[in-house]
Amino acid sequence: DSGVTQTPKHLITATGQRVTLRCSPRSGDLSVYWYQQSLDQGLQFLIQYYNGEERAKGNILERFSAQQFPDLHSELNLSSLELGDSALYFCASSGRRNEKLFFGSGTQLSVL
Amino acid sequence: DAKTTQPPSMDCAEGRAANLPCNHSTISGNEYVYWYRQIHSQGPQYIIHGLKNNETNEMASLIITEDRKSSTLILPHATLRDTAVYYCIVSLGSARQLTFGSGTQLTVLP
Repeated sequence: DSGVTQTPKHLITATGQRVTLRCSPRSGDLSVYWYQQSLDQGLQFLIQYYNGEERAKGNILERFSAQQFPDLHSELNLSSLELGDSALYFCASSGRRNEKLFFGSGTQLSVL
Repeated sequence: DAKTTQPPSMDCAEGRAANLPCNHSTISGNEYVYWYRQIHSQGPQYIIHGLKNNETNEMASLIITEDRKSSTLILPHATLRDTAVYYCIVSLGSARQLTFGSGTQLTVLP
């Protein structure tokens, strides 16, 4: 158990809809990262937050947004969903030294 | 971040050492070598990382060549539960997101 909690584990929705994925980092970790893993793209970095502020952006679509709240949990919002958004979405957190990433077990999103 | 090259797949007999190679010929002086693994569709798991010196922890050993252009991850006594995709990543480390490549699928055979 990495200490990073992601909910829900599975999400099935339709094209055009909007969903929110939630992540609780390890206790004390200030950084939260979101990754997307699809069959054809592998693990892709989306975005990083540090103590409530956006720190780095990767290949995140404009339809996607994220935020980190004062209690350090984070949410990834995916809107106007397309079939190609079906993927595993992982959240990770890291401590003050940012040396290691601890990943959650992921949210499997299926867009039908 | 420097790019890495790994073999797409490897087999190893249970109980034997698994040696996973990684080439990172464009690594810069302040970049670390990280290893993560992903078992089936679980979240990736940190294994080990190093800068110049060889490193060992309870999971594995990391051997980095003197010129730092390649490294080897060693699982000393592979078990069936070590079957996973192993990712070698080169990164500046602190406060940087990691870029995962396609990794090596290690299959431990009974």
